[in-house]
Amino acid sequence: DGGITQSPKYLFRKEGQNVTLSCEQNLNHDAMYWYRQDPGQGLRLIYYSQIVNDFQKGDIAEGYSVSREKKESFPLTVTSAQKNPTAFYLCASSIDEGVYGYTFGSGTRLTVV
Amino acid sequence: AQKITQTQPGMFVQEKEAVTLDCTYDTSDPSYGLFWYKQPSSGEMIFLIYQGSYDQQNATEGRYSLNFQKARKSANLVISASQLGDSAMYFCAEWDSNYQLIWGAGTKLIIKP
Repeated sequence: DGGITQSPKYLFRKEGQNVTLSCEQNLNHDAMYWYRQDPGQGLRLIYYSQIVNDFQKGDIAEGYSVSREKKESFPLTVTSAQKNPTAFYLCASSIDEGVYGYTFGSGTRLTVV
Repeated sequence: AQKITQTQPGMFVQEKEAVTLDCTYDTSDPSYGLFWYKQPSSGEMIFLIYQGSYDQQNATEGRYSLNFQKARKSANLVISASQLGDSAMYFCAEWDSNYQLIWGAGTKLIIKP
C-alpha cells in the first residue's frame, strides 16, 4: 500500500544534540512538507519542498534543516539551535502544490530530556 | 494574511446526535480549497472532506458534509449520527494560490455514550 512512513515514532534527545527525523513516501508525490504541532494547537509549517534538490522555509524554520536528495525522502534535522524542540512532528506529501490535499505520516513525538 | 478560525476549542456531544464544527476563513483569493481533517489520539491526520471555492454544491462524504457559505466565508463540518469513534481533534484548513495549507487551531470533539 502507498503511504508515508515516519520514523521513529518516539525520539528522545539530550540538550545540545542534533537529531534527524525520517520521512519516506512511495506515493510518487512531488511535494513534501514538515509540520510541528504543540499540545492543543494547530500545525505550523517548518519546511516544504516541491521538487527534488529544492526546498523553502516555512513559518518556523529557525533551528531546523532539511534535504531533498530523492523524491521519496525528506528528512528533517532538529539542530541544537532549536531552543524548544519538544513537540509532535508531522510529515506530509501532496500531488503538485497540494490543491487536492495532503497525505500525512503518523508522526514523530520528540522529547528533550 | 490568510487566517482560519475555529471558535470551538472543545465540544461534548451525545452519541448518535449530529454535530456541527465551525470554521471561518479569510482569503482574498478567488480560487481556494477548504479541507477538514480528523486527528485521533494516535496522532495521524486523516482527510475527511474537501470543498472547492467554485463548487456549486456542498461536499458530502458518508456521514460528513460541509456547510459551505461562501459569502460568509464559512465552511462548517457536519457529522451526522455521531459515533464514539468520532472522538478526536478536528482541523479546518484552507489552500490557495500561495501553495500552502493554512490551519485552524482545531476543535476537540468528545462523544459521550
